[in-house]
Amino acid sequence: GAGVSQTPSNKVTEKGKYVELRCDPISGHTALYWYRQSLGQGPEFLIYFQGTGAADDSGLPNDRFFAVRPEGSVSTLKIQRTERGDSAVYLCASSLSAAGLREQYFGPGTRLTVT
Amino acid sequence: DAKTTQPPSMDCAEGRAANLPCNHSTISGNEYVYWYRQIHSQGPQYIIHGLKNNETNEMASLIITEDRKSSTLILPHATLRDTAVYYCIVRVDFGNEKLTFGTGTRLTIIP
Repeated sequence: GAGVSQTPSNKVTEKGKYVELRCDPISGHTALYWYRQSLGQGPEFLIYFQGTGAADDSGLPNDRFFAVRPEGSVSTLKIQRTERGDSAVYLCASSLSAAGLREQYFGPGTRLTVT
Repeated sequence: DAKTTQPPSMDCAEGRAANLPCNHSTISGNEYVYWYRQIHSQGPQYIIHGLKNNETNEMASLIITEDRKSSTLILPHATLRDTAVYYCIVRVDFGNEKLTFGTGTRLTIIP
C-alpha cells in the first residue's frame, strides 16, 4: 500500500518568506509526527498529532513554526519569516496510534533551503 | 528518554554478519530499545525493538544484555543495501510518543 508521502520533495525559498510543507500519512493512521533533520544529525522531534489535535508541540523551535491537521489526516507544517537556519530536511511520520509501542513510518522528507 | 551511545561508523564485508553495539547504561525499567535505520536520502525505517528478551524478525536480531545496559543489533548476512545510518533509541512504552534520535552509526557494507 501507499506509504507516507510529502510534498514538495524540495523547496527553495528566500529569507523572510513563508512556506508550507505537506504530509499525507498512511490511510487509517491516527498519529502523525513532524521531525527536522540537519546535515549530519539525527532527526529532531518537532510536534505530534493524535487525530486533529496537537498532543505535543514541545519540539517547535519558536512561534514562527506552526502545524495543523484539520481533518485528522493530511498535515501542513507552516514556517513564517524563514531564516537560513531553518534549512533542513523536514520529515513526517505516521503510526496506527500513539498509544503503546507503535512503530512510526517515515516519509522521504522535504528538503528546505532558505537562501 | 535515556541517552544512547553508538560508534560513529563501522564497516562490514558483504555476506558477513554486521554487529552494531549500543550502550544505554541509564535505561529505566519501562524503557524499550528500538532500532531504526536511514538509507541515504530516505526517511528512517523501523527495524526491531525489545525490552529484555532477545528478539528476531525478518530483518535483524536484537540481543540485550541481562543488565539491559547495552544491546547489539545483528544483521546476519549483510548486503550492499544495508549501508545506512543505524539509530539505537530507548523509549518508554507509553506517554512519550516521540522518538529521540542520536547521531547513530554509519554502517558501510564493503563488496
